[in-house]
Parts: sequence; structure tokens; C-alpha cells
Amino acid sequence: DAGVTQSPTHLIKTRGQQVTLRCSPISGHKSVSWYQQVLGQGPQFIFQYYEKEERGRGNFPDRFSARQFPNYSSELNVNALLLGDSALYLCASSLDRVGAEAFFGQGTRLTVV
Amino acid sequence: AQKITQTQPGMFVQEKEAVTLDCTYDTSDQSYGLFWYKQPSSGEMIFLIYQGSYDEQNATEGRYSLNFQKARKSANLVISASQLGDSAMYFCAMREGYNKLIFGAGTRLAVHP
Repeated sequence: DAGVTQSPTHLIKTRGQQVTLRCSPISGHKSVSWYQQVLGQGPQFIFQYYEKEERGRGNFPDRFSARQFPNYSSELNVNALLLGDSALYLCASSLDRVGAEAFFGQGTRLTVV
Repeated sequence: AQKITQTQPGMFVQEKEAVTLDCTYDTSDQSYGLFWYKQPSSGEMIFLIYQGSYDEQNATEGRYSLNFQKARKSANLVISASQLGDSAMYFCAMREGYNKLIFGAGTRLAVHP
């Protein structure tokens, strides 16, 4: 079975641009969570979506948005990119809530120049 | 607010020896879950072990065990018989509410032959 897949794996954007990151959860998993991991730090929670509804939001500006599709895949959008948005963006998939069953993808490494 | 503290930025161990990675946590919740993840240089977060706050026995998964001391609010990871492939970042995390994980800053483990 395929694990959590994220695309693209690497991305370079210019300040002010917009970016869309994609995540496909493990088959049968209905929850997708997004995390931002800045170099040298632990991941920070951005969003959780379950059954296509936002169930939680971390302390991130409105430039960050996400959605979940009927097939449970998800997109994370970041507008008006700043240099500080450069990070590894991780997607986690779980059957329902985040717990012992959470599985992470390999991440998308975003560089803003 | 919940908080995870990992005080060891880096650790090294000789191959085949055991190593303990420290984690302390702060929470006012009675029910909580603690996790350890491994992050190799590829970026993917790999789930290692889980301990529930009401679990009376320390969790074990193969060479990984969690030394859970509730009164001291510590959840140290013990890796026995270290292998070269254990070299990675290790993150301690706590579940907050139903939908997010709070991560520590991580410990970089280097296994020497």
C-alpha cells in the first residue's frame, strides 16, 4: 500500500508569489494535517482537516489556507510568500484524529528567495 | 499550554550500545499521549512509539522503549543495541486536544562504528 505522498518534493519560489502543496493520504484515512518545520526546529501544526472540514488551525497568518477534497487528498496554499516561509512542509494522515496512527509524508521543501 | 522540552541538541553513541534521549513535558490535562518520531535526512517523520498517560506499563517496540515517569513529567526514549541506521533527528511530541501534535526541538543522534 502506498504511504502518504506529497508533491512536489522541492520547490523554489520568489517573495510575493503563491504556492500550492499537495498531499494524498493513505487509502482509507480521512484526516490530513499540515505541519511547517523550519530548519533546526520541530514541526509546528498548521491545519487539520477531517471529512473535508477544518478541525483545527495553528497560529499561522491568513496567508495560509487549505482544503480537503472528496477523495480526502488535501492542498495547502500560501499566498504572498515571505522569506520566513522557507521550510519543510509535512503532511500527516490518520484514520480520524491525530494519534498513534498518524503517518507522515516525506515533505515538500519550500525555498523562498 | 502544552510544551515539550528536549534538552539534548545532539547525542552520540557507539554502535551496539544503548542510548537514552530525554524528553520532559508540561500539561494540565489528565489524559494525554506522548510520541517519539525519527526523522532521517530524507525528511519523513517515522513513528516509533506511543505512551498513553493512563498506560501503567512503559511502552516498548522492538529496540525502542519509553521510560515514562509521570510524576516527573518525563518520557525518555531508550534505544538498545544502536545501529548505524539509527543516526537521525529524534522528536518527542504530545497530542493536544484531538487534532494536533506539539513537538519538541529534537535531538540529533549520531551512531559511531
